[in-house]
Amino acid sequence: AQTVTQSQPEMSVQEAETVTLSCTYDTSESNYYLFWYKQPPSRQMILVIRQEAYKQQNATENRFSVNFQKAAKSFSLKISDSQLGDTAMYFCAFMYSGGSNYKLTFGKGTLLTVNP
Amino acid sequence: GAVVSQHPSWVICKSGTSVKIECRSLDFQATTMFWYRQFPKQSLMLMATSNEGSKATYEQGVEKDKFLINHASLTLSTLTVTSAHPEDSSFYICSVVYLGQPQHFGDGTRLSIL
Repeated sequence: AQTVTQSQPEMSVQEAETVTLSCTYDTSESNYYLFWYKQPPSRQMILVIRQEAYKQQNATENRFSVNFQKAAKSFSLKISDSQLGDTAMYFCAFMYSGGSNYKLTFGKGTLLTVNP
Repeated sequence: GAVVSQHPSWVICKSGTSVKIECRSLDFQATTMFWYRQFPKQSLMLMATSNEGSKATYEQGVEKDKFLINHASLTLSTLTVTSAHPEDSSFYICSVVYLGQPQHFGDGTRLSIL
């Protein structure tokens, strides 16, 4: 079974600064996806970024980028130029890509607060 | 644009009643949908996988008779909380797999049982 660990329950950052959220996972599989989801106070789940395990290049989406270290099973999220609207709960998630069940395994989440 | 519609967004009802929550895929067929439950400040907990035309697959510890899932068409899955009690109050979210890509989530349903 897969496990996803987010060791930072809460973090805060000043507006315009950079913050990194940590995520580690454990799996015996070699083919999988990793995701970061954002859940603002509205509680809508928003996909921030995803990474295919077979790709060595780190995914980026505008101000969001990841540091994917496959050997270390680490998948951190970096948010640059933080904005007030980035305040949210962030969940790291794992999905095995070799089958057809598409189940997501979530970490416990990190509550990020961006301060003005 | 949104690919999933979940309804209702908020429901308050008396203890002992049954509540139905709908999850619809918009403009595409979804053979698989997922139902999650989320308590405040906690992560999403997968309750069951809803498969069109067959019985749902429930996660360990989820009461099948309490949480009835029906996936009668390729665009609609329903979750019925039967004989709801205050401890069933929670946030329920559905998701669908779209073109084999990351799960797309509904906006969730806040269920409050008085």
